[in-house]
Amino acid sequence: QVQLVESGGGLVKPGGSLRLSCAASGFTLSDYYMSWIRQAPGKGLEWVSYISSSGTTRYYADSVKGRFTISRDNAKNSLYLQMNSLRAEDTAVYYCARDLGTRVVPAAIPVYWGQGTLVTVSS
Amino acid sequence: EIVLTQSPATLSLSPGERATLSCRASQSVSSYLAWYQQKPGQAPRLLIYDASNRATGIPARFSGSGSGTDFTLTISSLEVEDFAVYYCQQRSNWPWTFGQGTKVEIK
Repeated sequence: QVQLVESGGGLVKPGGSLRLSCAASGFTLSDYYMSWIRQAPGKGLEWVSYISSSGTTRYYADSVKGRFTISRDNAKNSLYLQMNSLRAEDTAVYYCARDLGTRVVPAAIPVYWGQGTLVTVSS
Repeated sequence: EIVLTQSPATLSLSPGERATLSCRASQSVSSYLAWYQQKPGQAPRLLIYDASNRATGIPARFSGSGSGTDFTLTISSLEVEDFAVYYCQQRSNWPWTFGQGTKVEIK
């Protein structure tokens, strides 16, 4: 069955960096677009970044553009989010999610989600 | 950026009652709208995509309708496990955006 497991979250000081990882299993990662979506404590959902199946096309929310980088290693069945220059407002649970559509017809509909990893930015 | 406004913020109902949740977009999203359910401490679960298509394994009591700027999620008869927060999401224009959520609570 499809499984997504995030790791790499933790407590970091403002201005610091973290790299989140998402280990994918139960499907062929190279067939799907993938996303990072976050949720601040007690708040709603925000789409952070979206990457094509090959990794050549990447989208970023304005709130993270220039600070975060999404990447993937299909051979290692892994998705990543490099987060630099972290701010207090980046504090959230970060979810990795797989698209409903395929690399031929992407959909931007996250159907499978990981359990999330908490990032806390505080001094 | 397309803003999605959900109403009401909270819906207080009893099991067996009908729930009607609304999502309004700041500009047309055609039928590119999805609905998710989220329970405390859990990731969101996809319920409906492209306005009216139920995702795999979603019970028939969940239905979606609408197009353009006005959308509705209907739960025909609430089960205890349906009390949760519901979000709408558009995929018409990047950035894909979510509504702020509607909490369905037990009356």
